Amino acid sequence: DAGITQSPRHKVTETGTPVTLRCHQTENHRYMYWYRQDPGHGLRLIHYSYGVKDTDKGEVSDGYSVSRSKTEDFLLTLESATSSQTSVYFCAISADGIYGYTFGSGTRLTVV
Amino acid sequence: EDQVTQSPEALRLQEGESSSLNCSYTVSGLRGLFWYRQDPGKGPEFLFTLYSAGEEKEKERLKATLTKKESFLHITAPKPEDSATYLCAGLQGGSEKLVFGKGTKLTVNP
Repeated sequence: DAGITQSPRHKVTETGTPVTLRCHQTENHRYMYWYRQDPGHGLRLIHYSYGVKDTDKGEVSDGYSVSRSKTEDFLLTLESATSSQTSVYFCAISADGIYGYTFGSGTRLTVV
Repeated sequence: EDQVTQSPEALRLQEGESSSLNCSYTVSGLRGLFWYRQDPGKGPEFLFTLYSAGEEKEKERLKATLTKKESFLHITAPKPEDSATYLCAGLQGGSEKLVFGKGTKLTVNP
């Protein structure tokens, strides 16, 4: 999607290894979000950021950490990947947290 | 606990057969009700935001409405290209967090 890029698009990793997913935006939006999407659960918020170095937890934050050192980049780290973290991860951005969010194309992560 | 429930889970329509998707919500201090469309393998695409009961918004064959307890996405004379999963989400009061429903998968047969 224009203005927001997720990398990598696909990744297979082994249980117990650390994994970092990257979200990059060119819109200069204040808010950035990480969601995971699983069959039967819909989209669930992992962590979000409301400014550089300002982050907060979502409903499924256990096992995940985030960092935002620049406005344009929001990193999601799985410290020690588990099979339950196999999912599709979406990043989203918003100018003010109220009006329509813009989502990235997603990262499909498989933990074997 | 804040919750968004969508029904039905799946809906099959013939081309031209109008119908409605339902989104019921219990979101404290709702600040906005969002509708998204998601195609397979892609991220959700923003459709509408509704802010107050009685509000309606339209885009092509889609019209979204909002009451105090639920929202409807009406699809008039759908075409096969309208096939997608439609997601509803509520923005919690006092936060910047969207609470999503599980979606309705719409299939429109030619």
